[in-house]
Amino acid sequence: GEDVEQSLFLSVREGDSSVINCTYTDSSSTYLYWYKQEPGAGLQLLTYIFSNMDMKQDQRLTVLLNKKDKHLSLRIADTQTGDSAIYFCAERGQAGTALIFGKGTTLSVSS
Amino acid sequence: NAGVTQTPKFQVLKTGQSMTLQCAQDMNHEYMSWYRQDPGMGLRLIHYSVGAGITDQGEVPNGYNVSRSTTEDFPLRLLSAAPSQTSVYFCASGQGQGNTIYFGEGSWLTVV
Repeated sequence: GEDVEQSLFLSVREGDSSVINCTYTDSSSTYLYWYKQEPGAGLQLLTYIFSNMDMKQDQRLTVLLNKKDKHLSLRIADTQTGDSAIYFCAERGQAGTALIFGKGTTLSVSS
Repeated sequence: NAGVTQTPKFQVLKTGQSMTLQCAQDMNHEYMSWYRQDPGMGLRLIHYSVGAGITDQGEVPNGYNVSRSTTEDFPLRLLSAAPSQTSVYFCASGQGQGNTIYFGEGSWLTVV
């Protein structure tokens, strides 16, 4: 079946880079996503990458995709305290429509 | 969260009561879905729909019903609420072949 795994916690100091990793199992995934959730709030789409891409950069965010190893990462440059949140990795399921989520990585940024 | 509206935002139910969580989108999206979010479990898919008149079960469908009579609306029904259904519920929509899935702001449900 389809599964998405992430490490549960990451702690960094303000100004450092953060790297959040994710592995997935569905080799037919077409899109892979990163969502951010702040406490008590909904899900904010941060970025996504199409499966035929290796890398996507969007301001402070860099997404790397290793399709052979089914590994996705999100790098946040110059991490700020406002980046503290839960980050979810998600893939499109076999149906091509449903999203399968990881359990989320809690990013804690200390000043 | 543009375009996906969920109501109510907060609800407290007694065990055995029924209720409907409403979800509406104004983007003419084919795909709509419901997720529940529990601590340490991430988001789990309850039901989804790829178009009006078509629904299918996700990972955790038991205790929930859905229908899709129009493209815009995808209500989630709890027929007999149980404390295990205490959760945060998110509705989402997107184009069938598109790359962006939009989420509503969530509905916090407590069953006592």
